[in-house]
Amino acid sequence: EVQLQESGPGLVKPSQSLSLTCSVTGYSITSNYWGWIRKFPGNKMEWMGYISYSGSTSYNPSLKSRISITRDTSKNQFFLQLNSVTTEDTATYYCARFAGAAGDYWGQGVMVTVSS
Amino acid sequence: DVVLTQTPVSLSVTLGDQASISCRSSQSLEYSDGYTYLEWYLQKPGQSPQLLIYGVSNRFSGVPDRFIGSGSGTDFTLKISRVEPEDLGVYYCFQATHDPFTFGSGTKLEIK
Repeated sequence: EVQLQESGPGLVKPSQSLSLTCSVTGYSITSNYWGWIRKFPGNKMEWMGYISYSGSTSYNPSLKSRISITRDTSKNQFFLQLNSVTTEDTATYYCARFAGAAGDYWGQGVMVTVSS
Repeated sequence: DVVLTQTPVSLSVTLGDQASISCRSSQSLEYSDGYTYLEWYLQKPGQSPQLLIYGVSNRFSGVPDRFIGSGSGTDFTLKISRVEPEDLGVYYCFQATHDPFTFGSGTKLEIK
């Protein structure tokens, strides 16, 4: 069974970097696409970007100057780094597998608060 | 960016009745390959989003046939027949036709 698990600090200071890890079991990240999505307080959801089976990336232009998605295929993990965070980056962050552009498996999410 | 407008914002439904959610796109969601990358997700309380429908009308594995997706171009609908208690939560439409991919604003389904 495919499982994804996010991990990382729940509190980040403004202007610092947010770094999250998505650990995948039951499926190789060298297949399909692997994305990051966040949900803000309230209901708003935002697609942040993905890394493909080949390692290519695509980012939401609204984040393009601050975001980086990388991977470690030996550990079957992929990572999110978001630089220069502000309080507006406070959200629950999810990683997900995208097969044929459909997010069929999701992690349980990690809540990140940006606060001094 | 493609804007997906979901209506209604919230929906209160009696168990066993039908619910209908609309998702209207600011651009056609038909891709150059002829496929329409429009999906529906449900986020139940305390859970992560789960895929219900992909490609407008295809139910994901394990999704009951009470969930029916339809539409084309810019207008899409999710119908839930015979609403059950486990259907409550927030429903989102999502498009992966145009970069950046975008979500609708969500529709909260409550049980009367």
